[in-house]
Amino acid sequence: EAEVAQSPRYKITEKSQAVAFWCDPISGHATLYWYRQILGQGPELLVQFQDESVVDDSQLPKDRFSAERLKGVDSTLKIQPAELGDSAMYLCASSARQGGGYTFGSGTRLTVV
Amino acid sequence: DAKTTQPPSMDCAEGRAANLPCNHSTISGNEYVYWYRQIHSQGPQYIIHGLKNNETNEMASLIITEDRKSSTLILPHATLRDTAVYYCIVRVVGFGNEKLTFGTGTRLTIIP
Repeated sequence: EAEVAQSPRYKITEKSQAVAFWCDPISGHATLYWYRQILGQGPELLVQFQDESVVDDSQLPKDRFSAERLKGVDSTLKIQPAELGDSAMYLCASSARQGGGYTFGSGTRLTVV
Repeated sequence: DAKTTQPPSMDCAEGRAANLPCNHSTISGNEYVYWYRQIHSQGPQYIIHGLKNNETNEMASLIITEDRKSSTLILPHATLRDTAVYYCIVRVVGFGNEKLTFGTGTRLTIIP
């Protein structure tokens, strides 16, 4: 079964450092999403891509977060500088262009110390 | 997207049917009902979705009331591996910006 790949699985970083997460969606899936999940809460959408274009980044803290999907395939989410409140699970998901369910990756658990 | 309401937690005995309710009284005619679950420390997993007819797949059944204001996810023979947080989500499909908006879900615990 096809999977969404994410790396690293775990990341510990110090406050004010830069950190990056990588996602490789299912082949052929044009839509890619980054979600953030704080412990005890449901996932919250940060950014949505359609191919290489950003469709929705209304919840992305743009002063410190950036996301790109240069060739419309894999994607990188960056935080600079990291803050203590950024500690969370960062989930990537992809979906086919029309309907259906998302497929999520296993996520990157970020701890900022 | 319409808001959903789910009980925060439920227990079910192993081998019994688990029935998870969801209220979505403000659902629009073009919004689908989706169910996902999240096992500890993993990404959410798609279970099933429907518009107005009842749906069944290898994982579960989805029963949607005639007025579409509520639905029930049924796991017919719950196992310990079904212990997870279950999310009921309503969303429009087919307009490009098809994001899923998660609530806090129902934490289902299967009791041996």
